[in-house]
Amino acid sequence: EDQVTQSPEALRLQEGESSSLNCSYTVSGLRGLFWYRQDPGKGPEFLFTLYSAGEEKEKERLKATLTKKESFLHITAPKPEDSATYLCAVLSTGANSKLTFGKGITLSVRP
Amino acid sequence: EAQVTQNPRYLITVTGKKLTVTCSQNMNHEYMSWYRQDPGLGLRQIYYSMNVEVTDKGDVPEGYKVSRKEKRNFPLILESPSPNQTSLYFCASSFGLAGAPGVGEQYFGPGTRLTVT
Repeated sequence: EDQVTQSPEALRLQEGESSSLNCSYTVSGLRGLFWYRQDPGKGPEFLFTLYSAGEEKEKERLKATLTKKESFLHITAPKPEDSATYLCAVLSTGANSKLTFGKGITLSVRP
Repeated sequence: EAQVTQNPRYLITVTGKKLTVTCSQNMNHEYMSWYRQDPGLGLRQIYYSMNVEVTDKGDVPEGYKVSRKEKRNFPLILESPSPNQTSLYFCASSFGLAGAPGVGEQYFGPGTRLTVT
């Protein structure tokens, strides 16, 4: 059974204070790892797809990286508008197309 | 505008009264899915559909039904709702053939907050 664990559960940063969010996963074979952002009261919004170890993707202040066991979402010089819950999900190479999500990391950035 | 719409957005009902939550997408996506989101449990998949007339169970399908008669619509049916189905529900869609990575790049609807008393 696919498993996704995100840590920490919550993170509070000062504006400009860089940090990283962790996503550890267990799958029989990885077809893709996905990062989403969710604002309160809204549906998740897709950010990145990572396919293989060593891959990196960047978007503004966010950079996602992937190893064989975990993924990191690095946030450089965050701003208050980066405050949100960040979700990680995996799609395995099994016969089905079931997406498994982690419980999310709630990020708060203080001005 | 590319979007996934859900109706209703808020619903309060009583135990046992059948209800349907509609979901529609205008992006010609093959893949559609329903999730529920609960505090401390995260986002869990209920059912998904790879295309018209093709549906499969997710992690928590008990108490729910779905159908996919048209590509754009994927309604979620609760035949006899119970209080443990009180939750925030999301519909999502994406491009992608069965098992293809594109399936994971999903567009989510705005959510339906359901309360069953």
